[in-house]
Amino acid sequence: QVQLQESGPGLVKPSETLSLTCTVSGYSISSGYYWGWIRQPPGKGLEWIGSIYHRGSTYYNPSLKSRVTISVDTSKNQFSLKLSSVTAADTAVYYCARELGYCSSAGCYDRGTILGAFDIWGQGTMVTVSS
Amino acid sequence: QSALTQPASVSGSPGRSITISCTGTNSDVGGYNYVSWHQQHPGKAPKLMIYDVSNRPSGVSNRFSGSKSGNTASLTISGLQAEDEADYYCSSYTSSSTLVFGGGTKLTVL
Repeated sequence: QVQLQESGPGLVKPSETLSLTCTVSGYSISSGYYWGWIRQPPGKGLEWIGSIYHRGSTYYNPSLKSRVTISVDTSKNQFSLKLSSVTAADTAVYYCARELGYCSSAGCYDRGTILGAFDIWGQGTMVTVSS
Repeated sequence: QSALTQPASVSGSPGRSITISCTGTNSDVGGYNYVSWHQQHPGKAPKLMIYDVSNRPSGVSNRFSGSKSGNTASLTISGLQAEDEADYYCSSYTSSSTLVFGGGTKLTVL
């Protein structure tokens, strides 16, 4: 089955760049689907950070767009998140996730755009911003 | 973009039904049939319960149902069970080709 696993430093200094990677197993990213990053500050709700299509098209939360870069590396079957100029407000659990697709007798496919239905999630990784 | 509006908490007794609302605008909830609901237990990753307003992914109990009227979407859980106690988040596609989540609702099963 498809599994996602986040990895990266658990501690980042203020003003530096947070970098996380999501490794996908059980499915080849180059085959399709939309992949997203979502975060959750301690005790607070979910916030969509952005999403990427396997061919590289990106979609970002307007409130974070100036600081976010999401990229995909199909050779490693991974996609990544970079968030620059971090502050304590960026302290959160960061999740990677895959958007729901659909399957027919011909195979399984994505739904053509981001729609917010994330059916497969990583376990999440806690990132603390502190000096 | 502003977060969708959800009640902070709802509660219900086992076997009863509850409804959680999710209010947005014409640019998100009201403009598209792309509202999703995720369930999250403490310390766990979210789980997709409803997509496209009222569709259930394979494996999700039919006690969970979704609907929408105007700018407000709703999640109804019938036959409440102790295991339903969790946080619930709505999300919607927006006219800017982005996504927005609600603030979340804590469901307590009395």
